[in-house]
Amino acid sequence: AIWMTQSPSLLSASTGDRVTISCRMSQGISSYLAWYQQKPGKAPELLIYAASTLQSGVPSRFSGSGSGTDFTLTISCLQSEDFATYYCQQYYSFPPTFGQGTKVEIK
Amino acid sequence: QLQLQESGPGLVKPSETLSLTCTVSGGSISSSSYYWGWIRQPPGKGLEWIGSIYYSGSTYYNPSLKSRVTISVDTSKNQFSLKLSSVTAADTAVYYCARHVNDILTGSILYFDYWGQGTLVTVSS
Repeated sequence: AIWMTQSPSLLSASTGDRVTISCRMSQGISSYLAWYQQKPGKAPELLIYAASTLQSGVPSRFSGSGSGTDFTLTISCLQSEDFATYYCQQYYSFPPTFGQGTKVEIK
Repeated sequence: QLQLQESGPGLVKPSETLSLTCTVSGGSISSSSYYWGWIRQPPGKGLEWIGSIYYSGSTYYNPSLKSRVTISVDTSKNQFSLKLSSVTAADTAVYYCARHVNDILTGSILYFDYWGQGTLVTVSS
């Protein structure tokens, strides 16, 4: 099984900040990684797939990078609606698994 | 716009079987590009994939739950269903159905691009 380490688990930031969230794999997964945003009481929403491809309709302030074992989700200019929990998901190895989540809260 | 909606009992007794149905609207469940999956999230915790089904009936199950899970599909109703047997309090969670993108060339299941709103299932006597 592939171990996923998402960090930080909690991130305090202000509107307008640039934030980065890390997702590290225990073994290489090429670019088979997705990122999701989940707001309280809501279902997750797909932001990025194939490590860096933006899902249709997702604002361009979101970007993803990385390959192999180290991946990053970046929000270039944090907006009020971006305060949420973010999850990475690998789909290189069966079963597909999710990271533990990173909560982005208002500083 | 594709929509998925979960339905089923919100309360299940320990040792019984949890049954949920996902109704898909705004698109056909019989697309070759997608599997249809179930994911759960215990209160305050992370996401766990349960399993996914193709319109033909082909399934993938999470090995951690495989002995207790059955997923079926009814293409005539554009629905797919989850049964989880012998439930315990540890199965209390919000259960989501989602569209699971499929790599047609390899048959691999990839990421989830549309999700239902989720339904809370509590296991308690």
